Amino acid sequence: AQKVTQAQTEISVVEKEDVTLDCVYETRDTTYYLFWYKQPPSGELVFLIRRNSFDEQNEISGRYSWNFQKSTSSFNFTITASQVVDSAVYFCALSGNNNAGNMLTFGGGTRLMVKP
Amino acid sequence: DTGVSQNPRHKITKRGQNVTFRCDPISEHNRLYWYRQTLGQGPEFLTYFQNEAQLEKSRLLSDRFSAERPKGSFSTLEIQRTEQGDSAMYLCASSGGQGLVYEQYFGPGTRLTVT
Repeated sequence: AQKVTQAQTEISVVEKEDVTLDCVYETRDTTYYLFWYKQPPSGELVFLIRRNSFDEQNEISGRYSWNFQKSTSSFNFTITASQVVDSAVYFCALSGNNNAGNMLTFGGGTRLMVKP
Repeated sequence: DTGVSQNPRHKITKRGQNVTFRCDPISEHNRLYWYRQTLGQGPEFLTYFQNEAQLEKSRLLSDRFSAERPKGSFSTLEIQRTEQGDSAMYLCASSGGQGLVYEQYFGPGTRLTVT
């Protein structure tokens, strides 16, 4: 069975602060994929990033960065210099080669509120 | 590329009625997924299709739920004899084609309210 845990249900920061969203996962698959999605108030899930289990390089994209650590089964997401437009619910998700069609298992989400 | 579309965006129905939702995936994507999201939770996988074949349906919540993808293009999700507990957002996603297989792109969802 697969499981994704996002322990932070809600985070509030002031604009320009850095913020890290935590994600811990469980899987028995040897090959798996990790994702982050953003769900703004409009409701549509927006794909942000995918990481493969065999690639532990961290990634940076503009103000976003991701830290994948296989040893601790974590895939954390950092937003640098947060902006009000970053306010949304962020979901971490997992899929494995042994899952039906690479179905996604989602965490419960972290609601990020960035105040001006 | 117009993205994944879903219709209707909102549906209000009375308990006991049947409802059907439609999903049009990204045109070149061969995989199509249905998820359900209840308030304050992450999406929960229901079923998926590869082309017109429904390859996983054991996660459908009950036998009142069924899905089709008759020609491997659009898909429909039907809920028969709706119950108040069926109130949720129903999300469709697609993946595949010439792009990376593992990214799933989501539609805007259909919000169902059962009164």
